Amino acid sequence: GQQVMQIPQYQHVQEGEDFTTYCNSSTTLSNIQWYKKRPGGHPVFLIQLVKSGEVKKQKRLTFQFGEAKKNSSLHITATQTTDVGTYFCAGAGGTSYGKLTFGQGTILTVHP
Amino acid sequence: SAVISQKPSRDICQRGTSLTIQCQVDSQVTMMFWYRQQPGQSLTLIATANQGSEATYESGFVIDKFPISRPNLTFSTLTVSNMSPEDSSIYLCSVGRDGTYEQYFGPGTRLTVT
Repeated sequence: GQQVMQIPQYQHVQEGEDFTTYCNSSTTLSNIQWYKKRPGGHPVFLIQLVKSGEVKKQKRLTFQFGEAKKNSSLHITATQTTDVGTYFCAGAGGTSYGKLTFGQGTILTVHP
Repeated sequence: SAVISQKPSRDICQRGTSLTIQCQVDSQVTMMFWYRQQPGQSLTLIATANQGSEATYESGFVIDKFPISRPNLTFSTLTVSNMSPEDSSIYLCSVGRDGTYEQYFGPGTRLTVT
């Protein structure tokens, strides 16, 4: 079945440093989504990428979808303590409509 | 986005017992999903629950262990049956935004089985 791998598992940064997490799928995706889970919270939808090579920005966050629609990345510029949490990618593209396969998540810690 | 509530928020249960988790949405939705997040793990889809049809279970999950009800478009339940310590996990329901793959999650139920 479809597998989505995400690296790194953990990332510690100093406030102000940049951060990137990468996501790779074993199969071509129809779209990919990113979610953020704050400590003690639940996953919150951030963005969806659909087109090959698509790039979207949300303030300091930049999301990319690979040309082959099998990989994606999330880059945060100049991290802040409010960026702390777990970032998950989730791929869609199997036979079941609506079903997502989540990556393992990257736990981001930002040191002030 | 939909507002989703789950009950209970947490529970401690003895092995061999069952727990039913409720998921309530403030609007009608077609697709609802149940996930499990074990400690240190990602979100694993248990089943998809669409109103008017039987739940579709993912590999490794069976109806006898995780029966699901979806009586209407705003409510669903997941039962964790005959629990063992390995069932200790956070259980989350989510709803799909119609026409998209976007999902919105409930706050989760933290289950500890002793």
